[in-house]
Amino acid sequence: AQSVTQLGSHVSVSEGALVLLRCNYSSSVPPYLFWYVQYPNQGLQLLLKYTSAATLVKGINGFEAEFKKSETSFHLTKPSAHMSDAAEYFCAVNIAFSGGYNKLIFGAGTRLAVHP
Amino acid sequence: EAGVAQSPRYKIIEKRQSVAFWCNPISGHATLYWYQQILGQGPKLLIQFQNNGVVDDSQLPKDRFSAERLKGVDSTLKIQPAKLEDSAVYLCASSLSLEQYFGPGTRLTVT
Repeated sequence: AQSVTQLGSHVSVSEGALVLLRCNYSSSVPPYLFWYVQYPNQGLQLLLKYTSAATLVKGINGFEAEFKKSETSFHLTKPSAHMSDAAEYFCAVNIAFSGGYNKLIFGAGTRLAVHP
Repeated sequence: EAGVAQSPRYKIIEKRQSVAFWCNPISGHATLYWYQQILGQGPKLLIQFQNNGVVDDSQLPKDRFSAERLKGVDSTLKIQPAKLEDSAVYLCASSLSLEQYFGPGTRLTVT
């Protein structure tokens, strides 16, 4: 069964430091993977997605993620954190089921704090 | 292009009362999802519609939760009667293909 594990429920970095948010997946088939961001009192916004094309995926706001099949990982990175990056980040794996439908399974989330 | 609209944004009710949430998806999106997001957890899919038909409601507590999507556009999610553990943010999303677009959510507090 497909699942997602996000290591670290809270990550704190200094402004300008590297951001690394970890995501490992479990899937019996080549997965489609997503990173979403959620700002306080808002819905989820798609940052980037992997759909079996390039393994290094670039997203919005300077974020990128690399799909590593051998490590079953899809970690999210950003070279230099901004204060505005403080939010909750969710990794998700797509599950395809009968009838050609798809649904997302989300990890528990990682709250990113950025301090001056 | 307008995003996914949800109302109300906040709701406080007492346990055993009923409550309903409304969602208007992005125009033309055939697939609509309702998620429950409990504090400190990722969103959990409750029910998924394709047009006005249900394709997955395996995680919906059917003894108290119900949802409908009339005419394949707007949708309502109802809880009756509410329990304390239903306190959560209820997110609606819609999609045309793989990518899901989320509304701002309704924060429900059950006291």
